[in-house]
Amino acid sequence: NAGVTQTPKFQVLKTGQSMTLQCAQDMNHEYMSWYRQDPGMGLRLIHYSVGAGITDQGEVPNGYNVSRSTTEDFPLRLLSAAPSQTSVYFCASRLDRRYQPQHFGDGTRLSIL
Amino acid sequence: RKEVEQDPGPFNVPEGATVAFNCTYSNSASQSFFWYRQDCRKEPKLLMSVYSSGNEDGRFTAQLNRASQYISLLIRDSKLSDSATYLCVVTLGYYGNNRLAFGKGNQVVVIP
Repeated sequence: NAGVTQTPKFQVLKTGQSMTLQCAQDMNHEYMSWYRQDPGMGLRLIHYSVGAGITDQGEVPNGYNVSRSTTEDFPLRLLSAAPSQTSVYFCASRLDRRYQPQHFGDGTRLSIL
Repeated sequence: RKEVEQDPGPFNVPEGATVAFNCTYSNSASQSFFWYRQDCRKEPKLLMSVYSSGNEDGRFTAQLNRASQYISLLIRDSKLSDSATYLCVVTLGYYGNNRLAFGKGNQVVVIP
């Protein structure tokens, strides 16, 4: 009963380093998304995908890349980490049809020094 | 106008009391509505979907008012464990592949 799995749960990076946050879901959901959540800002959409091979930008895409080569996986890449990217990152997925709720992973807490 | 607006609160509620709050949305084509609960620094979890006729789940009641474009959540007989932030979530359009918009949440603090 895995649902949405995010790794790692915690990470500390130095400015300028790159890394990939992993997200996998086993519910055969077409729709996957990445959010960041900062204090007082609510959830902000970074990138999303409506199916394998299809991705699009959300509200705050700068500094991040995504790809969707399979239905199950939706990794988020930080190209050159900056302190402003210190945040909690949530991956989510849902079925691509009306009335379907979104399911979240338990988050990655990322600090950039 | 923001896509989804919520009064952040906090809503300080005595244990056993009733608390209610609304969320307004701007896209008149929205079809799917949800309330999520988020505990401090944890992932949001689905509390309940909101249906056109209104629906209940135990002590929680959700209502949808399409004419005025808002949804509401009412919590009866508040428990200490209800302390959390409640997020309003709305689809931005008619179709399933429309993305979701999240409010910033209503913070509820249940006081013993």
